[in-house]
Amino acid sequence: GENVEQHPSTLSVQEGDSAVIKCTYSDSASNYFPWYKQELGKGPQLIIDIRSNVGEKKDQRIAVTLNKTAKHFSLHITETQPEDSAVYFCAAIATGGFKTIFGAGTRLFVKA
Amino acid sequence: NAGVTQTPKFQVLKTGQSMTLQCAQDMNHNSMYWYRQDPGMGLRLIYYSASEGTTDKGEVPNGYNVSRLNKREFSLRLESAAPSQTSVYFCASTGAYEQYFGPGTRLTVT
Repeated sequence: GENVEQHPSTLSVQEGDSAVIKCTYSDSASNYFPWYKQELGKGPQLIIDIRSNVGEKKDQRIAVTLNKTAKHFSLHITETQPEDSAVYFCAAIATGGFKTIFGAGTRLFVKA
Repeated sequence: NAGVTQTPKFQVLKTGQSMTLQCAQDMNHNSMYWYRQDPGMGLRLIYYSASEGTTDKGEVPNGYNVSRLNKREFSLRLESAAPSQTSVYFCASTGAYEQYFGPGTRLTVT
């Protein structure tokens, strides 16, 4: 079935450094790729997304890149801050699909 | 606009007891979902409802039942709770593609 692999499972960076999280998906019909951030004790919340007709999208310190040929997409966080510490989930969904396929999550620690 | 609300926030059950987790959304979304989240396991889909009047099994449906009461409400029932159902349960709804999650219910089965 469809699946999304996410790496690394844990990532620790120094404040101010960059963080990169990578995902690979299996369903070639996937065309929407959201990223969710989950803070402690809360539900996941969308932080950025990208559609298959776009290669890169930026929003302030976060950016997402997509390589449809390789079925890879990545989240880049620059100038990390302690409040970026959270669990991040990548996901993939196909047009008309009702199920979002989530990666297993990456726990990001930003050390002050 | 409250988004997605869930009740209760916390619950402790004894093995064999039953309970219903409630979820409601006020965004007029067609699709609603129930996930469970265990440490290191990410989000696993239990059941979903693509539209009012329909429900379908997800990845881990055993031991659960659901009811799509109306467009706003989607409940999850544990008929006979087991320790393996100790988890955090999230309800979500989707308008187009983005999923909006509730705050979660932390359930412990002893």
